[in-house]
Amino acid sequence: EIVLTQSPATLSLSPGERATLSCRASQSVSSYLAWYQQKPGQAPRLLIYDASNRATGIPARFSGSGSGTDFTLTISSLEPEDFAVYYCQQRSNWPPEHTFGQGTKLEIK
Amino acid sequence: EVQLVESGGGLVQPGGSLRLSCAASGFTFSSYEMNWVRQAPGKGLEWVSYISSSGSTIYYADSVKGRFTISRDNAKNSLYLQMNSLRAEDTAVYYCARDLPRKGYFDYWGQGTLVTVSS
Repeated sequence: EIVLTQSPATLSLSPGERATLSCRASQSVSSYLAWYQQKPGQAPRLLIYDASNRATGIPARFSGSGSGTDFTLTISSLEPEDFAVYYCQQRSNWPPEHTFGQGTKLEIK
Repeated sequence: EVQLVESGGGLVQPGGSLRLSCAASGFTFSSYEMNWVRQAPGKGLEWVSYISSSGSTIYYADSVKGRFTISRDNAKNSLYLQMNSLRAEDTAVYYCARDLPRKGYFDYWGQGTLVTVSS
């Protein structure tokens, strides 16, 4: 089973600052990685898929990069609505499974 | 507008059963692969099960294999999760989630339904 480890667990920043979130896989997942945002009481929202492709309707301030085992989600300039929990997710064809990282909480400093 | 609406959650005793439903609208349900994903209170996300668009291919997480059954009725635009032999650790919000076509990521999610397993 592939394990995804996200860091840091909590990131405290101010609006307007740049956020950099990390996701590391226990073995290569090529570029098969996604990022989700979840706000309290809401379902997750897909932000990035295949490591660097923005999902429909996602603002350009969100970007993803990486391949193999190391991935990064960058929010170029934080808006108040960006403070939330972020999860990475990988999908593997065999064994057929999806795994999530444990999440990074982005909080207002 | 794509909508996924789960129902069927509630309080159940350990060892009991529950059937969750997910009603889909706003897209051609029969053309999309679907999943169930759960989230224990205050915890992260855990993928539970996958079903292909026709229902012919099904996968489960090891944690629920042999106890849960995923199914769909394309004529009714509905996804189901039959949960048997429930355990305390199955307590979670259960989301149905649509697959981004041919990608294996989840592009639309329902609002979730809470399942609580407790005596």
